[in-house]
Amino acid sequence: ETGVTQTPRHLVMGMTNKKSLKCEQHLGHNAMYWYKQSAKKPLELMFVYSLEERVENNSVPSRFSPECPNSSHLFLHLHTLQPEDSALYLCASSQEGENYNEQFFGPGTRLTVL
Amino acid sequence: AQSVAQPEDQVNVAEGNPLTVKCTYSVSGNPYLFWYVQYPNRGLQFLLKYITGDNLVKGSYGFEAEFNKSQTSFHLKKPSALVSDSALYFCAVRDGGYSTLTFGKGTMLLVSP
Repeated sequence: ETGVTQTPRHLVMGMTNKKSLKCEQHLGHNAMYWYKQSAKKPLELMFVYSLEERVENNSVPSRFSPECPNSSHLFLHLHTLQPEDSALYLCASSQEGENYNEQFFGPGTRLTVL
Repeated sequence: AQSVAQPEDQVNVAEGNPLTVKCTYSVSGNPYLFWYVQYPNRGLQFLLKYITGDNLVKGSYGFEAEFNKSQTSFHLKKPSALVSDSALYFCAVRDGGYSTLTFGKGTMLLVSP
């Protein structure tokens, strides 16, 4: 596979469930990101990992927990979510360094919380 | 703090006509500017970026954007629109001192046959 892949593409879960979203990048990048995309809102940056260390957390609720075991893989663990957490969750990667390179996005996971 | 404004929720244009999608930004340092496009049920795709150099930047699919420092704008343009250009377009800015992008809320472009 090429680029950035995300699984699953669609997920429906109840508020008491625990699930995980997976992202994998095949580009050799050293930074990965989780974004939340809700209808009629700007993209919200949730987490950034650069060189496998989390460098920013935009006050995301603790019911979202990221994990980055290596530079190619990124997870978002979900537990006791709320209906307002229903959204498209996008993963992205980039090569950070002297040049400000663009981010490459995966297709997203459409999450519905019942 | 950095911010981006896309003043139009939707832009309508007829196929073959030129199109413009507007973007203005605010940063404290030098801006690094990006345009992305999102087709239905897809992630964002990179179109073009301005880091330094020529104010007119050319990108994918015939799109270009003009950096205007005095007006703090980075409008996306295409000389002749295609129906297949219909999609959601995002402008994003990155301050030189930050590691993250700030996105606008997006502009829906609808190109009619």
